[in-house]
Amino acid sequence: AQSVTQLGSHVSVSEGALVLLRCNYSSSVPPYLFWYVQYPNQGLQLLLKYTSAATLVKGINGFEAEFKKSETSFHLTKPSAHMSDAAEYFCAVSDQGSQGNLIFGKGTKLSVKP
Amino acid sequence: DTAVSQTPKYLVTQMGNDKSIKCEQNLGHDTMYWYKQDSKKFLKIMFSYNNKELIINETVPNRFSPKSPDKAHLNLHINSLELGDSAVYFCASSPSGTKTQYFGPGTRLLVL
Repeated sequence: AQSVTQLGSHVSVSEGALVLLRCNYSSSVPPYLFWYVQYPNQGLQLLLKYTSAATLVKGINGFEAEFKKSETSFHLTKPSAHMSDAAEYFCAVSDQGSQGNLIFGKGTKLSVKP
Repeated sequence: DTAVSQTPKYLVTQMGNDKSIKCEQNLGHDTMYWYKQDSKKFLKIMFSYNNKELIINETVPNRFSPKSPDKAHLNLHINSLELGDSAVYFCASSPSGTKTQYFGPGTRLLVL
């Protein structure tokens, strides 16, 4: 069965610092991987996705993620954090069924200190 | 605006009541989903549906039932509400041929 593990339920960085949110996946087939962001009291917004094309994926708001098959990882990074990046971030893998249900990690809350 | 919309945004009700949450997408997508987000922010699939197939997560109680009047709508009906049903419910949709899902704003359900 496919699964996603997000290391660190809470990450705190200073404004301007590097953001690194970790995601490891388990899948017996080439996965489709996603990062979503959830701002307080809002829905989920797609940040970026990996669908077996380029291993370095660029998303919105300056975020990017690199797919590393050897490490089964899909970590999310941003060179310089902004206060507006404070939110909950979810990594997800699409399951192997025909409907492509998403299997989510437990989320990482990002706090940004001034 | 093209989007996935849900109504109501907030729903407060008593135990034992029956309620429905509506979802509409005007993106022309073929597949729609319902997810539940619990108090710890954990998201879990409840249903996925296209015009050919309904897939139900086996852990979902049969008090929950999806109803699709047409391709653009997938409503969620809940019978005999329980305290543990309190959560945020998200609708999503995806176009055929992709696995990218687009989410609605969520419905915050509180059962008293």
